[in-house]
Amino acid sequence: GAVVSQHPSRVICKSGTSVKIECRSLDFQATTMFWYRQFPKKSLMLMATSNEGSKATYEQGVEKDKFLINHASLTLSTLTVTSAHPEDSSFYICSATQGAYEQYFGPGTRLTVT
Amino acid sequence: AQSVTQLDSQVPVFEEAPVELRCNYSSSVSVYLFWYVQYPNQGLQLLLKYLSGSTLVESINGFEAEFNKSQTSFHLRKPSVHISDTAEYFCAVTRVGGGSNYKLTFGKGTLLTVNP
Repeated sequence: GAVVSQHPSRVICKSGTSVKIECRSLDFQATTMFWYRQFPKKSLMLMATSNEGSKATYEQGVEKDKFLINHASLTLSTLTVTSAHPEDSSFYICSATQGAYEQYFGPGTRLTVT
Repeated sequence: AQSVTQLDSQVPVFEEAPVELRCNYSSSVSVYLFWYVQYPNQGLQLLLKYLSGSTLVESINGFEAEFNKSQTSFHLRKPSVHISDTAEYFCAVTRVGGGSNYKLTFGKGTLLTVNP
């Protein structure tokens, strides 16, 4: 149980385009989802927290207009990187909770912007 | 606010040797503690957690961690490692009772490399 999927697992896009990453909780309802960014050989940086049906809460320094987060249902959250640039290339990981302490992590999405 | 310090960024060991990955935390409130493992190009998997009760917690694959409140530590140990244990290990905390949706604070990670 408690499986979280991400799609796509890898994506390559051209500079200036937008890319959407999906995060799904497959066998539970996720009241809260988190989006992280991980740089090479670095820890996870929390980007935002999203609760179903409400606006995401972004961490300090994260551009809301660049990283659009939508949590439309209790099983789906999406992260859209708008007007992507090479510096946005990274490993993006989502996690989901059922309203308690334990987060279940997705397998991650490798974004490469050329 | 909480912070987590993982004192070693890399730990190389030989197969079947014991290993300890160190984790210290700082918090003004009570916390839950976690160890996560990340294999290359994958997400994080929960290895073990301390919520309350016995300060020694164990995982199914031979790892254990001990919560030491006085030293604010939660070190991870394994008496005999395997090649397959090679991975990045992250220590994390979240405050008891939620608040901020149980946001996790991660350490910077320790790369455990097990050599034959």
